[in-house]
Amino acid sequence: AQSVAQPEDQVNVAEGNPLTVKCTYSVSGNPYLFWYVQYPNRGLQFLLKYITGDNLVKGSYGFEAEFNKSQTSFHLKKPSALVSDSALYFCAVRAPNTGRRALTFGSGTRLQVQP
Amino acid sequence: EAGVTQFPSHSVIEKGQTVTLRCDPISGHDNLYWYRRVMGKEIKFLLHFVKESKQDESGMPNNRFLAERTGGTYSTLKVQPAELEDSGVYFCASSQESQVLYGYTFGSGTRLTVV
Repeated sequence: AQSVAQPEDQVNVAEGNPLTVKCTYSVSGNPYLFWYVQYPNRGLQFLLKYITGDNLVKGSYGFEAEFNKSQTSFHLKKPSALVSDSALYFCAVRAPNTGRRALTFGSGTRLQVQP
Repeated sequence: EAGVTQFPSHSVIEKGQTVTLRCDPISGHDNLYWYRRVMGKEIKFLLHFVKESKQDESGMPNNRFLAERTGGTYSTLKVQPAELEDSGVYFCASSQESQVLYGYTFGSGTRLTVV
């Protein structure tokens, strides 16, 4: 069975500093990996994905994530945090070649960017 | 284009009552998914429709939950009778068949509180 771990319930960072939100996964085969963000009173918004190819993927709002197969990680990063980045972030994985489209999500990490 | 629409946005019901959640996917999206997040935990998959057919309902917790997708358009998720542990946020998502690798578009969710 596949699983996703987001070890930090909350990450605090000062505006202008780099941020990292951690994600590790467990899945059979090569994974499809996703990051979603949820702003208050909004739905989940797609940020970025890794399907294949370059291990460093770039997404919306200046976010990027690095796929590390040996460490089974897909950490979300941004070089300079903004107060407006404060939100709830979810990592998700999907196992290809299973015929299932279901995403397995982590429990979420709340990012708080202080001015 | 209009996004995925869910209503109601909030629902408070008593234990033992019935509640029906509705999801209108993006027009033309054959794939429709239901997920839910219970009290700060991970977002869990419930089921997946392709048009009007249930493709994967492995995440449905028990027979108190009934999902339908009339004519392959909007979908409803009925909980009858509701229990306290059903409280949480229910998300709907949709995707085109040709773009399943690009992530899904989620609605804003329905926050269900069972008292």
